[in-house]
Amino acid sequence: GQQLNQSPQSMFIQEGEDVSMNCTSSSIFNTWLWYKQDPGEGPVLLIALYKAGELTSNGRLTAQFGITRKDSFLNISASIPSDVGIYFCAGLIQGGSEKLVFGKGTKLTVNP
Amino acid sequence: NAGVMQNPRHLVRRRGQEARLRCSPMKGHSHVYWYRQLPEEGLKFMVYLQKENIIDESGMPKERFSAEFPKEGPSILRIQQVVRGDSAAYFCASEDNTEAFFGQGTRLTVV
Repeated sequence: GQQLNQSPQSMFIQEGEDVSMNCTSSSIFNTWLWYKQDPGEGPVLLIALYKAGELTSNGRLTAQFGITRKDSFLNISASIPSDVGIYFCAGLIQGGSEKLVFGKGTKLTVNP
Repeated sequence: NAGVMQNPRHLVRRRGQEARLRCSPMKGHSHVYWYRQLPEEGLKFMVYLQKENIIDESGMPKERFSAEFPKEGPSILRIQQVVRGDSAAYFCASEDNTEAFFGQGTRLTVV
């Protein structure tokens, strides 16, 4: 089936550092979504992107919808300990019955 | 506007019993996804439904698993004759063609 390649798989950073993660695919998406999952909880939607080239911010988070519509990245600036968690990208497949496809996640650890 | 509601949050079943997981989508959402997640792993797609119709069940095991989303009431993921390997977190998401929101999940433990 469809798949998103999300990288890196895990990151270990110091508090205050910036973080960048990305997702790529061979398929075209018309919507990109970024989620964060805390342990024992469901994924929470952080940012939604709807147009190629769109750059959207949510506080310290910034995400972009790639021009080719096959990729997206998420940046977190000035990381804090509560940023710890697993970040997932997801794309809605264009055309037909839209299906949500997820990356395998990036596990972020922030050292105080 | 209530979010996606899943219940129960935790479910313990003995091997061979049936597990029923419920998901009520957000108001106005007519599409529901079910995902399975093992510890330290990503979300594995199981099934995508709209009311009274299964759109894509390519991620569902061929046996023992079924899902429905009736015209009235929540979506149900049903696992018959559970085995230890069914132990996982099961998440439901509802979608309105632009965004998808998740429930808190049901953690199934088979003993």
